[in-house]
Amino acid sequence: EPEVTQTPSHQVTQMGQEVILRCVPISNHLYFYWYRQILGQKVEFLVSFYNNEISEKSEIFDDQFSVERPDGSNFTLKIRSTKLEDSAMYFCASSEDRGLFEQFFGPGTRLTVL
Amino acid sequence: DAKTTQPNSMESNEEEPVHLPCNHSTISGTDYIHWYRQLPSQGPEYVIHGLTSNVNNRMASLAIAEDRKSSTLILHRATLRDAAVYYCILYNFGNEKLTFGTGTRLTIIP
Repeated sequence: EPEVTQTPSHQVTQMGQEVILRCVPISNHLYFYWYRQILGQKVEFLVSFYNNEISEKSEIFDDQFSVERPDGSNFTLKIRSTKLEDSAMYFCASSEDRGLFEQFFGPGTRLTVL
Repeated sequence: DAKTTQPNSMESNEEEPVHLPCNHSTISGTDYIHWYRQLPSQGPEYVIHGLTSNVNNRMASLAIAEDRKSSTLILHRATLRDAAVYYCILYNFGNEKLTFGTGTRLTIIP
């Protein structure tokens, strides 16, 4: 069964450093998403991406964040200058289309900012 | 976004049916009811969705009240693998994002 994959599974970084989280969505999917979950809290939407551009973003997704689909398979989330409060699980998801279609989530990358 | 209300936690015995309730009294006519679950240390996983009629799939059944103000996710025979947080989410066609609440933490007792 096709699945969303994410690398690395765990990333440790120093405050102020840039990090790039990588995702490989399911191959025939058109919509891509990033969500995050701070330990013990709700899963929060960050951004959706379609046709090589951001489709919707949340208030969390400020200028420190960016997304990119550098080739036909990868989807990345970059945090330019990490803060302590960016420590969280980051989940990538993809769907065939938006709206009713289910979103398939990856296993997540745990980001720890020291 | 329309709001859903779920119990914080529930327990069930293994191999028995589980009924997970969700209230959504402000649901609009175009909102679909989606259920996702999150197993420990994993990403969320789609379970089932419906609009008005009851729905069945290999994982679960979804029973929707006639007035659509509530729904119940039914796991017919719970296993230890079903221990997870279950989220009831209202989702509109054309919507970009899933809005997760705190969900119901389901514990399965062996």
